[in-house]
Amino acid sequence: EVHLVESGGDLVQPGGSLRLSCSASGFTFNIFAMHWVRQAPGKGLEHLSAISSNGGTRHYADSVNGRFTISRDNSKNSLYLQLSSLRPDDTAIYYCVKDINSGDSYFDSWGQGTLVTVSS
Amino acid sequence: EVVLTQSPATLTLSPGERATLSCRASQSIGTFLAWYQQKPGQAPRLLLYDASKRATGIPARFSGSGSGTDFTLTISSLEPPDFAVYFCQQRANWPTFGGGTKVEIK
Repeated sequence: EVHLVESGGDLVQPGGSLRLSCSASGFTFNIFAMHWVRQAPGKGLEHLSAISSNGGTRHYADSVNGRFTISRDNSKNSLYLQLSSLRPDDTAIYYCVKDINSGDSYFDSWGQGTLVTVSS
Repeated sequence: EVVLTQSPATLTLSPGERATLSCRASQSIGTFLAWYQQKPGQAPRLLLYDASKRATGIPARFSGSGSGTDFTLTISSLEPPDFAVYFCQQRANWPTFGGGTKVEIK
C-alpha cells in the first residue's frame, strides 16, 4: 500500500523560509514523478510543482516560481519542497502527491498534508 | 492557464438518487481530465482519469464522460460515503483544478 507522510509544516513569519519533507513507501519511488499540491483553508486545490522520476526535470506554478524549490532523494525515498520568501497567501495545507505514472500528472496517491501558516 | 468551472456549486440529493456533476474547460483539453473526491479533513482521492477511466478500487457507480471542453461525472446511485466534495482537474497544460461541487444529503 502506498504511504506518503509529510512533515515540516509550521507557523512562519512573512518573508521566512521552511522545508517540507515527504517520506514515501509502498511503491518503487524512483520510477514515478512526484508533485506538491496545496489547499488554502476552505479553498480549492493548487498544483505547485512537479519533479521527474530521476529529479532531472522540475516545473513550477507561476505563483511559486523563484520562491519554492522541489527536490527528491531516491536513495531515501523522499521528496522535498523548500519554501522561501513566504507570504500570508501561502498559508495552506501542503500535500505530497504521487503521479499515476512517470509524468502523466494525474494524482493517484496523496499524503495527509502538512499545514503551513504564514503570519506575523 | 486552463480554467475549469464546475457546476453546480452544491448538489442536494437523497441516497439512491443519481448525481450529475459538470466540469467545463476554458479551452479544449481533449480527454485529459480527472475527477477527485474529498471528504472533510481528508486528502483528495482519485476517482477517474482520462475523462472516463476508473482508478484502482473505484466502484462502478462512478462514471465519467466528455471531451474537449465539457465533462460529466455521474454517480449512478448515491451511497452514504459518496456525500463529499468533488473536484475536476486537467493535465492538458499546467495542471489546474476546478472549484469543486459539494454533494450534500437532502
